[in-house]
Amino acid sequence: GAGVSQSPRYKVAKRGQDVALRCDPISGHVSLFWYQQALGQGPEFLTYFQNEAQLDKSGLPSDRFFAERPEGSVSTLKIQRTQQEDSAVYLCASSLPGAPEAFFGQGTRLTVV
Amino acid sequence: AQKITQTQPGMFVQEKEAVTLDCTYDTSDQSYGLFWYKQPSSGEMIFLIYQGSYDEQNATEGRYSLNFQKARKSANLVISASQLGDSAMYFCAMREALYRTSLRAQKLVFGQGTRLTINP
Repeated sequence: GAGVSQSPRYKVAKRGQDVALRCDPISGHVSLFWYQQALGQGPEFLTYFQNEAQLDKSGLPSDRFFAERPEGSVSTLKIQRTQQEDSAVYLCASSLPGAPEAFFGQGTRLTVV
Repeated sequence: AQKITQTQPGMFVQEKEAVTLDCTYDTSDQSYGLFWYKQPSSGEMIFLIYQGSYDEQNATEGRYSLNFQKARKSANLVISASQLGDSAMYFCAMREALYRTSLRAQKLVFGQGTRLTINP
């Protein structure tokens, strides 16, 4: 597609439920990033992939958060046993190797009730 | 550690006026990149403009220009002739170690954002 695509756009989960968020990056973009954006805040880095390799997961807040990109294209961010503090917008971005700028999707707004 | 500070939570500007959004940064690195993104109510982060720390000229992209003052560690965004469609959140961001292959070089660090409202 022309841009980064994320699904679902909105997700409501009951506390304790597992969720999976999908990101389809721009074709040919080997770098893929996940960010978490709390209400009224700037995005914060979660994790980074280069192709299928997860090279940096230093931003994942707990072991309940897990990301994968098995074939080097589509990525899934999974949150197990969701808690209220996980409520946020989850943004995915992709970029070309060597290019400084990253392009973002519209995000998935997760609400944990 | 790298840090981005945006001191203006909100700005109100009349249509067709120019507006400057402030951004200061802190880094110990010599090579880094500075970015501005626009986030409308739809939620998508839209890339606007980029400045590399070694670039001698200030970056410009259409109505957007980046006023880069390296000694002051500031990277203000200037929007000329503002339009109603410019109303959105604006985020300043930085990447360190831009020209080196480094894991930490890949992530963006964002400021808190400035909400810009253009009045007709």
